[in-house]
Amino acid sequence: GAVVSQHPSRVICKSGTSVKIECRSLDFQATTMFWYRQFPKQSLMLMATSNEGSKATYEQGVEKDKFLINHASLTLSTLTVTSAHPEDSSFYICSAGDDYYGYTFGSGTRLTVV
Amino acid sequence: GDSVTQMEGPVTLSEEAFLTINCTYTATGYPSLFWYVQYPGEGLQLLLKATKADDKGSNKGFEATYRKETTSFHLEKGSVQVSDSAVYFCALDNFNKFYFGSGTKLNVKP
Repeated sequence: GAVVSQHPSRVICKSGTSVKIECRSLDFQATTMFWYRQFPKQSLMLMATSNEGSKATYEQGVEKDKFLINHASLTLSTLTVTSAHPEDSSFYICSAGDDYYGYTFGSGTRLTVV
Repeated sequence: GDSVTQMEGPVTLSEEAFLTINCTYTATGYPSLFWYVQYPGEGLQLLLKATKADDKGSNKGFEATYRKETTSFHLEKGSVQVSDSAVYFCALDNFNKFYFGSGTKLNVKP
């Protein structure tokens, strides 16, 4: 079946630094990737939709300059949290696929900013 | 480890039919349970949730009851509409880590 690899699974970084999270489809090409964020004890929140070769579409309230998304190929999308602060600490998860074959989730990344 | 298993699709129903999508889970402790829906071309949306045993989540005519004794959280709707056609994901949140089922595609025909 379809496999989506998300890396790293956990990362701790210092306040003010940037962190890159990768979402990679291992055995299929994903025209669309979604990035989600989960706040403690709340449900997932869609951050942005990433389509290969075009700019990401961000949901209202998500700062595009802070959460940089790059979908440079059909198998890789990256989310970079720039100038991270403690309030950016969260669980980030991606999903990849298309409407015909469906979507598969990555295993998520736990970001802690200290 | 924790996991979610949901029935494979696609599920094809006629409008106004009764819907059940089965979901069972394996988890330590006391997870929260969710149903998410993904319409074509869109990201996930939270449909409903339950945070403890015997809670019933409901939204837009959909319901699911958190059954700890059977470790289940089946999604039901009494009368589906064409606009309910989407992919439905069952998920659990345990210690702030999400686990998703594989998704069930629902096709509702007029």
